[in-house]
Amino acid sequence: KAGVTQTPRYLIKTRGQQVTLSCSPISGHRSVSWYQQTPGQGLQFLFEYFSETQRNKGNFPGRFSGRQFSNSRSEMNVSTLELGDSALYLCASSSTGTGIGYTFGSGTRLTVV
Amino acid sequence: QQPVQSPQAVILREGEDAVINCSSSKALYSVHWYRQKHGEAPIFLMILLKGGEQKGHDKISASFNEKKQQSSLYLTASQLSYSGTYFCGTEDSNAGKSTFGDGTTLTVKP
Repeated sequence: KAGVTQTPRYLIKTRGQQVTLSCSPISGHRSVSWYQQTPGQGLQFLFEYFSETQRNKGNFPGRFSGRQFSNSRSEMNVSTLELGDSALYLCASSSTGTGIGYTFGSGTRLTVV
Repeated sequence: QQPVQSPQAVILREGEDAVINCSSSKALYSVHWYRQKHGEAPIFLMILLKGGEQKGHDKISASFNEKKQQSSLYLTASQLSYSGTYFCGTEDSNAGKSTFGDGTTLTVKP
């Protein structure tokens, strides 16, 4: 069974630009969650999608958005990038989203310069 | 609210035991545990649902005290491969949102 695939693995962007990250969950998993991981802040919840609907949202500014497609693939977009957005962005999928463990992707390392 | 993990870091010798705790201020539906090695994705270890269950595989087990809103991860006879950062993730009764603790860094030395 293929794991969770995130693309790209690494990204360097300039302040003010926007970026789109992609996540393909495990086949059959309908829940996709996004997390931001930084050394000082740990794993911070961004949002969760289930069957193309955003079901939960963390405390991030509106510059962070996402969507999920009918095949459960998800994208995350960050507009007007700031230096503080530099982080590892992890996507996780689960089969129902409730009471089930997550399978994480390897992440996208975003560096904003 | 974010669960609180303790200790923040622990250093062990091979063969020693460790306990990592995870406490929440909210009523919990489930607690799950992950291990992350440097530069890698977190790997799912186990999940415990409300009901006070205990789970384990190999020498790693966990308990969940629903009343106290706490979970503990037990690592016995630690091996070098146990080194990494351990995260607990918690879900309250709402579906789909997991909140993670800041992690506990475990270092096992020969």
